[in-house]
Amino acid sequence: SQKIEQNSEALNIQEGKTATLTCNYTNYSPAYLQWYRQDPGRGPVFLLLIRENEKEKRKERLKVTFDTTLKQSLFHITASQPADSATYLCALDEGGSYIPTFGRGTSLIVHP
Amino acid sequence: GAGVSQSPSNKVTEKGKDVELRCDPISGHTALYWYRQSLGQGLEFLIYFQGNSAPDKSGLPSDRFSAERTGGSVSTLTIQRTQQEDSAVYLCASSLHYKNIQYFGAGTRLSVL
Repeated sequence: SQKIEQNSEALNIQEGKTATLTCNYTNYSPAYLQWYRQDPGRGPVFLLLIRENEKEKRKERLKVTFDTTLKQSLFHITASQPADSATYLCALDEGGSYIPTFGRGTSLIVHP
Repeated sequence: GAGVSQSPSNKVTEKGKDVELRCDPISGHTALYWYRQSLGQGLEFLIYFQGNSAPDKSGLPSDRFSAERTGGSVSTLTIQRTQQEDSAVYLCASSLHYKNIQYFGAGTRLSVL
């Protein structure tokens, strides 16, 4: 069966360090993968989209990698700040349905 | 412009009652999605509307759940004879169909007592 795995344990890091979050999947052939941020009591907010033929995408302090051989995406936040504390969700879409499937998300806590 | 708007933001109801949740998408977005998010869980897809096409209802958990989208804009999700297990946050999102980046509302928190 299809599965998307994000670490259910919260990631605690110190301000200024690089945060790395993982999204692993099985039995998908995603055309693209998206990362969203969700704050408590709010809906998810789109951050980055990476396509299957792209290895890496950057936006300011954010970087996403996509390895279709390992079936894994890594999401990096460099020079992390307490304001980066939130839950980060990955979402996969195989391209045909326009209905992405979301992972459960990983909570990031950046300590001052 | 304005983002996706959902109402009410909170709804408390008694078991067995019907509820209606409303979603007003971003103007011009042809695709509209409903999701359910339970505490500590991921987003559970419920239903997808794309333009004038028949909706994809494959995620609706039971026949107590239904949704409509009038005039290709506002959508209403109806839950009949609510059960306690229906308690969750119901999120609506819209997108330009060919981009698939979703813009979410703040959600409606439903509590069934």
